Amino acid sequence: AQSVTQPDIHITVSEGASLELRCNYSYGATPYLFWYVQSPGQGLQLLLKYFSGDTLVQGIKGFEAEFKRSQSSFNLRKPSVHWSDAAEYFCAVGSGGYNKLIFGAGTRLAVHP
Amino acid sequence: DVKVTQSSRYLVKRTGEKVFLECVQDMDHENMFWYRQDPGLGLRLIYFSYDVKMKEKGDIPEGYSVSREKKERFSLILESASTNQTSMYLCANGAGEGAHYGYTFGSGTRLTVV
Repeated sequence: AQSVTQPDIHITVSEGASLELRCNYSYGATPYLFWYVQSPGQGLQLLLKYFSGDTLVQGIKGFEAEFKRSQSSFNLRKPSVHWSDAAEYFCAVGSGGYNKLIFGAGTRLAVHP
Repeated sequence: DVKVTQSSRYLVKRTGEKVFLECVQDMDHENMFWYRQDPGLGLRLIYFSYDVKMKEKGDIPEGYSVSREKKERFSLILESASTNQTSMYLCANGAGEGAHYGYTFGSGTRLTVV
């Protein structure tokens, strides 16, 4: 069965520091992969997605993610974190028909000034 | 800009009540989804619909039902609300051609059952 694992429940970084959020997936075929961000009290916003081509994808707000098939990973990165990046981040994999997405448990990011 | 609108941001209901959560999209997309979000568990799929009057169970359908009488509206129904259904409920839609489009989410409804 398809699944998504986000190993880090909470991460704290200092403003200006680099960030990497981990995501591992289990999926039999070529996956469609997504990162979403949820600010407090809000719905989820799509940051970026991968479904083919270049394994390094660029998203909004200066985020990027790299698909590594050999490691079944799709880690999210940002070179310099801003205080406004404090939020919860969800990795998801597309599960074939009907456009179903399976989500990880999320990683909550705190940013220290 | 495309929108998925959930009618209530916050709801407080009593145990045993029948509860309706409404979701409306303006994108003419076939697929609509209801998730619940709980700390440490991420988003779990309750039900989804791929066309008018069509529905499929997700991973946690027990205690819920859905209705889709028109393409733009997808309702989640708690037949008899219980305290363990206190949660954040998120509606989303997606294009019908494949999973690579991702979803557009509503802002969520935080339901408290007392």
